[in-house]
Amino acid sequence: SYELTQPPSVSVSPGQTATITCSGDKLGDKYVCWYQHKPGQSPILVIYQAVKRPSGIPERFSGSTSGNTATLTISETQAMDEADYYCHVWGSNTAHIVFGGGTRLTVL
Amino acid sequence: QVQLQESGPGLVEPSETLSLTCTVSGDSISGYYWSWIRQPPGKGLEWIGYIQYSGNTNYNPSLKSRVIISLDTSKNQFSLNVISVTAADTAVYYCARVKWWSSSYHGMDVWGQGTTVTVSS
Repeated sequence: SYELTQPPSVSVSPGQTATITCSGDKLGDKYVCWYQHKPGQSPILVIYQAVKRPSGIPERFSGSTSGNTATLTISETQAMDEADYYCHVWGSNTAHIVFGGGTRLTVL
Repeated sequence: QVQLQESGPGLVEPSETLSLTCTVSGDSISGYYWSWIRQPPGKGLEWIGYIQYSGNTNYNPSLKSRVIISLDTSKNQFSLNVISVTAADTAVYYCARVKWWSSSYHGMDVWGQGTTVTVSS
């Protein structure tokens, strides 16, 4: 089965740039999404198709992909950005949906 | 504005069937895929499966033998049934809209608020 690997945690100072990675086989060839998930709330889609932002998502959130790695970048990180972030792909061969294990972003 | 709302029992006994319904409001259920996702306590998100408007389904291989997702277009609802549950099925269960647009995947763009299901006697 297809697997996505994320670091368990990332820390960043307010105002700095946070980078969260997601790795998987031939990830650059797949539809990659990122979700923000805060405790007690529903997940929110922040990036789709690796680089696109849904309406209403701040420009501080951006995505990129290269080879086997997708990256979520949060510029000028704010305390409100503290959350768990999950990468997710649509499996091109199986049409299954796969989530990464999640990364807890801490804004110190 | 489309909204999703999960409903169903919050407590299910071991070996019984977990049944949840997701009601879609503000838009028709047609033209989209609809998915269930869960998050066990202290763990990450786990995709359970989805159903297309046509009725075709696709399930997580790890759950496929115990899961059925169905659609009721007359009520604008879709449902999840998980049979033979154990404590490992205790989780927050979310329903979500899966958006395909112009033959491209746009992710799960609308989510329900989630409902907690505990498996215990």
